[in-house]
Amino acid sequence: AQTVTQSQPEMSVQEAETVTLSCTYDTSESDYYLFWYKQPPSRQMILVIRQEAYKQQNATENRFSVNFQKAAKSFSLKISDSQLGDAAMYFCAYRSAEGGSEKLVFGKGTKLTVNP
Amino acid sequence: NAGVMQNPRHLVRRRGQEARLRCSPMKGHSHVYWYRQLPEEGLKFMVYLQKENIIDESGMPKERFSAEFPKEGPSILRIQQVVRGDSAAYFCASSPRVSGSYEQYFGPGTRLTVT
Repeated sequence: AQTVTQSQPEMSVQEAETVTLSCTYDTSESDYYLFWYKQPPSRQMILVIRQEAYKQQNATENRFSVNFQKAAKSFSLKISDSQLGDAAMYFCAYRSAEGGSEKLVFGKGTKLTVNP
Repeated sequence: NAGVMQNPRHLVRRRGQEARLRCSPMKGHSHVYWYRQLPEEGLKFMVYLQKENIIDESGMPKERFSAEFPKEGPSILRIQQVVRGDSAAYFCASSPRVSGSYEQYFGPGTRLTVT
């Protein structure tokens, strides 16, 4: 079974600075997708960014980018120019692309605090 | 296009009562997923349904929990004889198809409190 590990329960960053959230995963599959979701205090799950395992190029969405290291099974999220609105829980998630269920497997999350 | 809708947003039940949680997927989405989030935890998969079919219920407790997604109407997650340990946030997500990298779009969740 696949597992996702987020080793940083909490992180903090100064407004306008850059922060990197870590995520590692364990799988025997070669084809899969990885996601970062943001959960603000409203508890709504918001997709931040996704990465297809077959793509070598790291995904980027505005101030958010990932460092995907397939061999190391690592998928970190970098937030540049941090804003107060970035404060939230961030969850890393894995999804198989090899048929069967399309369920998401989540890590336990990292709570990000942004200091003004 | 309205997002995924869940109701109620908050539900309080006494031990032994039944809880019914509803989820209306986004328009055009025929796949629904239910997840449970315990306090200070990530989301855990419970069940995956298509219209009138349960595709994967590997995360669903064997007793007291059931789910359906009828041809017409919302998906329902039903918890019979609730216990304190059922207190959690229950999230529904929908997607338009199975294959490909289509994301799952989440609803705002239902917070269940069992007293």
